[in-house]
Amino acid sequence: GDSVTQMEGPVTLSEEACLTINCTYTATGYPSLFWYVQYPGEGLQLLLKATKADDKGSNKGFEATYRKETTSFHLEKGSVQVSDSAVYFCALSEYTGNQFYFGTGTSLTVIP
Amino acid sequence: EAQVTQNPRYLITVTGKKLTVTCSQNMNHEYMSWYRQDPGLGLRQIYYSMNVEVTDKGDVPEGYKVSRKEKRNFPLILESPSPNQTSLYFCASSLSGQVSGYTFGSGTRLTVV
Repeated sequence: GDSVTQMEGPVTLSEEACLTINCTYTATGYPSLFWYVQYPGEGLQLLLKATKADDKGSNKGFEATYRKETTSFHLEKGSVQVSDSAVYFCALSEYTGNQFYFGTGTSLTVIP
Repeated sequence: EAQVTQNPRYLITVTGKKLTVTCSQNMNHEYMSWYRQDPGLGLRQIYYSMNVEVTDKGDVPEGYKVSRKEKRNFPLILESPSPNQTSLYFCASSLSGQVSGYTFGSGTRLTVV
């Protein structure tokens, strides 16, 4: 079945450091891939998405490229800020769009 | 403001006492879904709905019921709650599922004692 595996946290970085959160997936078809962010006490917010191979999603300085050959969708940011502290979830959805599969989440803390 | 509204935000109840968590969206979305979030397990889908009167089981449907009588509402019903249903619950809606992704509510923290 479909699944998403993302790197375990927690991750602690200093402000302005580079961030990479790894995400790999298993899917039977041609899924869309997403990154969601959850700030403390809030629901999940869509951060970025990519709907086909080689697409790059980007938002708020974050980027992720849909790599079909490595079944990966790693999240990257060149310079993190304290306000980026949150839990990040990688997710996929198959063509029907009915079911989303989420990774277990990676907690990021950015210290000044 | 476009949003998904869940109520209540916090709920403490006793084993076996039926409860309903309401969910409403104002974006005319066809897809709606319920998830539970547990430490170390991420989010797991409970039920989803593709349109009015169309619902289907997700990965962890046992002990839950849903209904979709109107497009905007998708309540989650626990007929006889048990302590293993203590969790953080999220309702979400989507215009077109795979392409657009889901908009999430703020969550309902349920404790069953």
